[in-house]
Amino acid sequence: DIQMTQSPSSLSASVGDRVTITCRASQNIASYLNWYQQTPGKAPKLLIYSAAILETGVPPRFSGSGFGTDFTLIISMVQPEDVGTYYCQQSFSALFTFGQGTRLEIK
Amino acid sequence: EVRLLESGAGLVQPGGSLRLSCAASGFTFSTFAMNWVRQTPGKGLEWVSGISEIGDRTYYADAVKGRFTISRDNPKSTLYLQMNSLRGDDTARYYCVKTSGKASFDYWGQGTLVTVSS
Repeated sequence: DIQMTQSPSSLSASVGDRVTITCRASQNIASYLNWYQQTPGKAPKLLIYSAAILETGVPPRFSGSGFGTDFTLIISMVQPEDVGTYYCQQSFSALFTFGQGTRLEIK
Repeated sequence: EVRLLESGAGLVQPGGSLRLSCAASGFTFSTFAMNWVRQTPGKGLEWVSGISEIGDRTYYADAVKGRFTISRDNPKSTLYLQMNSLRGDDTARYYCVKTSGKASFDYWGQGTLVTVSS
């Protein structure tokens, strides 16, 4: 199975900060990488698919990049409503796997 | 509007069985692959199982292979997960999830809680 490793596991940011979350795949997954946001008490929500394409309705302060094994999610100016946990997921294999999550809190 | 409504939650003893259902609406069910994803309280997401559009291909995480069976009834727009030989580490919220045309999970249900305990 393809293993996905996120870092950091948690971070604290102030409103307006730029936040970077990284995700590494255990093998080449091309651009088959998705990002999800889970806010407290809610189901996960798709943010970005195919490594860099913003899902409809997602604010443009979110962006994704990367190819192969290394990927990045950037929130350019963090807002209070961005509190939650962010997960990467590979869809290269039909045996989908998620990263362990990165918890974002606001200072 | 896409809606995924899970049911079948409950408390079951170790070694027992449970069947989850997911009623889908708001899209052409038979043209999209579907999945089950679970989340242990306070922990991360774990993909459990997936099924192709017409149900001819199924996929399972190693943790549930041989114990869980995914299936679908396209005329009824319903997804199922039959869970047998349940263990304590199967305790989780189980989400019904739609696969998009871009190999991502674009719609999620609210989840249904399965507790395995004596």
